[in-house]
Order: sequence, then structure tokens, then C-alpha cells
Amino acid sequence: QKEVEQNSGPLSVPEGAIASLNCTYSDRGSQSFFWYRQYSGKSPELIMFIYSNGDKEDGRFTAQLNKASQYVSLLIRDSQPSDSATYLCAVANTGNQFYFGTGTSLTVIP
Amino acid sequence: ETGVTQTPRHLVMGMTNKKSLKCEQHLGHNAMYWYKQSAKKPLELMFVYNFKEQTENNSVPSRFSPECPNSSHLFLHLHTLQPEDSALYLCASSQVLAREQFFGPGTRLTVL
Repeated sequence: QKEVEQNSGPLSVPEGAIASLNCTYSDRGSQSFFWYRQYSGKSPELIMFIYSNGDKEDGRFTAQLNKASQYVSLLIRDSQPSDSATYLCAVANTGNQFYFGTGTSLTVIP
Repeated sequence: ETGVTQTPRHLVMGMTNKKSLKCEQHLGHNAMYWYKQSAKKPLELMFVYNFKEQTENNSVPSRFSPECPNSSHLFLHLHTLQPEDSALYLCASSQVLAREQFFGPGTRLTVL
């Protein structure tokens, strides 16, 4: 079982819609959760991090964490073509090890 | 300079060459990482340094040799590489282990 799993996509949404990206993790004791955006040929860029159960909002982005279900998601409201990228979920487990998922490719259609 | 810098940005080398990749972080962080990302593939963690001490080596071939002289600098020494080593090599840093990592722009390596 992989430490972090994501649906590879591709996920396509129309401009202005909500994009929902999902991630599950295997270590129940994991404490820290991160979302990165990676444009093609570029390095990953941190978008958000979340440590506590519930929602965390930053502009058009909302991270949602459910530790009981070992599930973290990223919602992008009012999606723009510039949001088209690969989104990486990352989890820091109880051993201070940092694991990245394989990423979900998002395309926002104008 | 701000954030995490990497040099060179592009590197082409033959299989018999020796070269080094350099990473410098200007964030006051204590942990540094090397990742490999091949085309259309996920990130592969190669090495982790925490307070200059190597804490992780993910079964990386010995033709890749890391060096961390201080908490701000990280090198990856390359020798007798194979064409399949061609990839984007990314450096990252974090305040401590298990905290958010910040990436440099990467070095695009091509091995002929």
C-alpha cells in the first residue's frame, strides 16, 4: 500500500467551476498535510498546508482534512485556465518522513 | 537571492563525465532534500539531510554522491551516469523535518 494515493486524472473542469482534488494516506498517525502545484517543466510550489481536522481556506483554495477517514482534499473555487497543472498531495508521517503522491493532472477548460 | 536556488539550470553530460549540482537555501532552514523527477513520473526522494547529517538514502546508486557542508548548501556529485539518469533534479528545504518543503527551480540533466 502506498503511503499517499491520488487519482492521477486527468481531471477536467470548465472555467468558473469548482475543482475537487482528493488524496488518501495510510499512516493514521500522520500530522501534517500539504498541497503543491506543479506546472509542466517547473518545480512544485506550495499552495497550502493543514494540520487540524476541518477546513482551511486561502483565497480560492480550501483544504479539507478528515483524519478519521485518512482523507485530505483540495477545492479550487472559480477555476481559471491558469490553474491547469498537476497537484501533488504530501503527507508527513509519524516518523517525520515526507511522502508525495503521484499527482492529479487538472485541466480547466475556457 | 531569495528562497532556494539551484545551479546549473541545465546540464548535458557524457557518461564518463563528472559534474556537480549545487543547491543553496536562503530561508534559514535546517533540512535539505534531493529529489529526482523523470518525465511524466512522480517525485522520487533521493537524500535527506537534517542539520548537515544525512538521515535518509533511498537506495540511490553510488554514482550519485551527496554532500552537505552546512545547513544552507547541498551538492549532488555525479559520475559515470547512465542515460536513464536524465531527469529534473530538484532540491528542497524545510525548517525542520516533516514541515512544508520549498523547492528550487531544478536542474534539467541530460546524459548522453
